[in-house]
Amino acid sequence: DARVTQTPRHKVTEMGQEVTMRCQPILGHNTVFWYRQTMMQGLELLAYFRNRAPLDDSGMPKDRFSAEMPDATLATLKIQPSEPRDSAVYFCASGLVPEVRASNEQFFGPGTRLTVL
Amino acid sequence: QKEVEQDPGPLSVPEGAIVSLNCTYSNSAFQYFMWYRQYSRKGPELLMYTYSSGNKEDGRFTAQVDKSSKYISLFIRDSQPSDSATYLCAMKGYSSASKIIFGSGTRLSIRP
Repeated sequence: DARVTQTPRHKVTEMGQEVTMRCQPILGHNTVFWYRQTMMQGLELLAYFRNRAPLDDSGMPKDRFSAEMPDATLATLKIQPSEPRDSAVYFCASGLVPEVRASNEQFFGPGTRLTVL
Repeated sequence: QKEVEQDPGPLSVPEGAIVSLNCTYSNSAFQYFMWYRQYSRKGPELLMYTYSSGNKEDGRFTAQVDKSSKYISLFIRDSQPSDSATYLCAMKGYSSASKIIFGSGTRLSIRP
């Protein structure tokens, strides 16, 4: 049963601390997305990669956020230093582009619920 | 103004009712229109997608796209308590490089 996995599922940290979230995309998928979901803003795209290369990170606060794909099986999202306004659920999603349906379907992981105190 | 607008709800209807969920958008370049369902504390999952205008039916679900009005709808017939979730509309342009833009989601509750 292929699925996107994310760790940790929950993270509580104090303001100023570094937070690293990890994602394992579905094997064979060539595109990885990082989203942030809050009640106020909904689902926002932070960054995405294709074939491990960053294609767009315009949605990410560059001064504190960074996203990488050290290899095809691991994507990371790092926040340093974290702030209370970063509290949200962070989702990773993967997909295969191009693909027959061309809908760019994305398969979402279960999310990391981050609370910054 | 957001590119995609969606009423957040919550929407509560009795079991068996027909549910209508809607989104409006401003970008005429959008060609693919999708509906994702998100259960509490889970990631969104793709429910249906359509290309350009028209209707698409899948079991109890029907997706409609009216590009002239920049308006999309999802209808759920014979709604079930298991349909209780947040429904997010999403859309993108034709290019594979085009990003998917999500609506903020409508929270739906089906009362037994």
